Amino acid sequence: QKEVEQNSGPLSVPEGAIASLNCTYSDRVSQSFFWYRQYSGKSPELIMSIYSNGDKEDGRFTAQLNKASQYVSLLIRDSQPSDSATYLCAVTGFQKLVFGTGTRLLVSP
Amino acid sequence: DAGVTQSPTHLIKTRGQHVTLRCSPISGHKSVSWYQQVLGQGPQFIFQYYEKEERGRGNFPDRFSARQFPNYSSELNVNALLLGDSALYLCASSLDHEQFFGPGTRLTVL
Repeated sequence: QKEVEQNSGPLSVPEGAIASLNCTYSDRVSQSFFWYRQYSGKSPELIMSIYSNGDKEDGRFTAQLNKASQYVSLLIRDSQPSDSATYLCAVTGFQKLVFGTGTRLLVSP
Repeated sequence: DAGVTQSPTHLIKTRGQHVTLRCSPISGHKSVSWYQQVLGQGPQFIFQYYEKEERGRGNFPDRFSARQFPNYSSELNVNALLLGDSALYLCASSLDHEQFFGPGTRLTVL
């Protein structure tokens, strides 16, 4: 079992729709959870961090954490073509960040 | 404020050679981590340094080594390069839990 699992996609949504990205993790002691956006050929950019159960909203982005189910999600409202990228879920392990393989999101005009 | 900087941007080496990659963290950040990212995968943890001390090491061979300097900049060294070392090498700096990545160094081993 991988430590952090994501559906590789692509996830295709029309412009203006809500994109829902999901991530599960295996280490129950993980305390910090992050979403990074990575455009093709570029480095990952931190877009959301969440540390406690529930929802955290920042602009069009909402991160959701459920530690009992070991599940993290990212909602992107009013999706734009510029949101097309790979979204990486990352979870803290011992002294390191553990990344999933990423979900590719395609937003069509 | 300047973000994380890395040099060089691109590098081409041949098998068996040695390479040194450099990273300067965000001002005020004392922790630097190194990651390797191959195409289609998420970044894989290589090392973390904090206040010049190694705080963590990933599952990479001893050909990989790193160090952190008094100004918190860092070097990643890879000896005896293999074709499989071709990847994007990412440096991230952090003050607390959040890690911020530099632009990366694209290493190609021929």
